[in-house]
Amino acid sequence: DAMVIQNPRYQVTQFGKPVTLSCSQTLNHNVMYWYQQKSSQAPKLLFHYYDKDFNNEADTPDNFQSRRPNTSFCFLDIRSPGLGDAAMYLCATSRDGTGLGNTEAFFGQGTRLTVV
Amino acid sequence: AQTVTQSQPEMSVQEAETVTLSCTYDTSESDYYLFWYKQPPSRQMILVIRQEAYKQQNATENRFSVNFQKAAKSFSLKISDSQLGDAAMYFCAFISPGGGADGLTFGKGTHLIIQP
Repeated sequence: DAMVIQNPRYQVTQFGKPVTLSCSQTLNHNVMYWYQQKSSQAPKLLFHYYDKDFNNEADTPDNFQSRRPNTSFCFLDIRSPGLGDAAMYLCATSRDGTGLGNTEAFFGQGTRLTVV
Repeated sequence: AQTVTQSQPEMSVQEAETVTLSCTYDTSESDYYLFWYKQPPSRQMILVIRQEAYKQQNATENRFSVNFQKAAKSFSLKISDSQLGDAAMYFCAFISPGGGADGLTFGKGTHLIIQP
């Protein structure tokens, strides 16, 4: 059974047109992450939520925003997508806290974003 | 800040043979967690194996084992009896004990090819 679900799997958007990617989880984990993965590169953390607390990475562009209306859902909003934002976007969750079991991340299948 | 280095962009191995993927990292922390994640062509990141830094014993999961050398900051993955289904990108990753504060730091990945 899928535990971290991302929709849609593939998204095509126009240059400059706002787009929202969604992520849901059935694990009841405290932490939800958004990673950007460009072709043949390592995933790069954009931001994460610890419960309702939002934590932005210092180098994440302002063009990227996130919302977490409840424990289960988290959204990635790209306000004005540019060609350079084409990538795979990965959502992940973890229980957090100390201890190895709490730091393991569970990933969704990702949303591949194409900007035309 | 932590860094993770995977020096082998691509590795190839014959089916049923053994292959070792390299990973080194840099951190000033004494306690942390290390992971190997597998990302098959379907793109969902899957945890392969994990290691706690304060445990000297190397982790093992069936055909997968690690060689953790804390002093050398090295964390290699050995895959025994390679199978076609092992073909994927493999990412080495690091996380601090607090987990949620920083998310995972990934290496650039190693593309593993299994030759039939």
